[in-house]
Amino acid sequence: GENVEQHPSTLSVQEGDSAVIKCTYSDSASNYFPWYKQELGKRPQLIIDIRSNVGEKKDQRIAVTLNKTAKHFSLHITETQPEDSAVYFCAASRGSGGSNYKLTFGKGTLLTVNP
Amino acid sequence: DGGITQSPKYLFRKEGQNVTLSCEQNLNHDAMYWYRQDPGQGLRLIYYSQIVNDFQKGDIAEGYSVSREKKESFPLTVTSAQKNPTAFYLCASSIEGSGANVLTFGAGSRLTVL
Repeated sequence: GENVEQHPSTLSVQEGDSAVIKCTYSDSASNYFPWYKQELGKRPQLIIDIRSNVGEKKDQRIAVTLNKTAKHFSLHITETQPEDSAVYFCAASRGSGGSNYKLTFGKGTLLTVNP
Repeated sequence: DGGITQSPKYLFRKEGQNVTLSCEQNLNHDAMYWYRQDPGQGLRLIYYSQIVNDFQKGDIAEGYSVSREKKESFPLTVTSAQKNPTAFYLCASSIEGSGANVLTFGAGSRLTVL
């Protein structure tokens, strides 16, 4: 089955700096890569996702890049703010259809943005 | 409140007891999931269901059981066979066949074995 590795497990940055979280996956058939954010005491929520036919996707201060050849994808947060502090999870799946669409998650990165 | 309701929020169990966690959704989603969250372990899939009266084991199904008698409901039973049941349990749902498995999560249930 799919295996998703996520690094680093913790990341501390100063407000205004950029943060990068990296994930690798093992299943070359995976084609859907979402990122979830979980604030302390709250439920995970999707913040951005990318499909394998796209190399990069941006949404305001957040971007995700995908390298299918190397089987890795990354989350980039620019101009970090204290409200970006949370646990971030990457995930991978084969997309829809039967059991192919179930998501495998990385172990998470605790991001702390210091004011 | 996100369309998925989990109850109870906190649950205490004595060793040897079975407990059932409730998950109800009003989003008309086809698929439902149960994840277990432990510190430093990410989200691990216990069971999932794509359609009523059908469900599949996830990566850590041992010691757990589920049912899917209604589209809206996907209860999880933690049995006495689960060796380390203390954890945070998250239920989620998604639209089947959307081409992207976007999960909507419930607020979670924290189970503590005394």
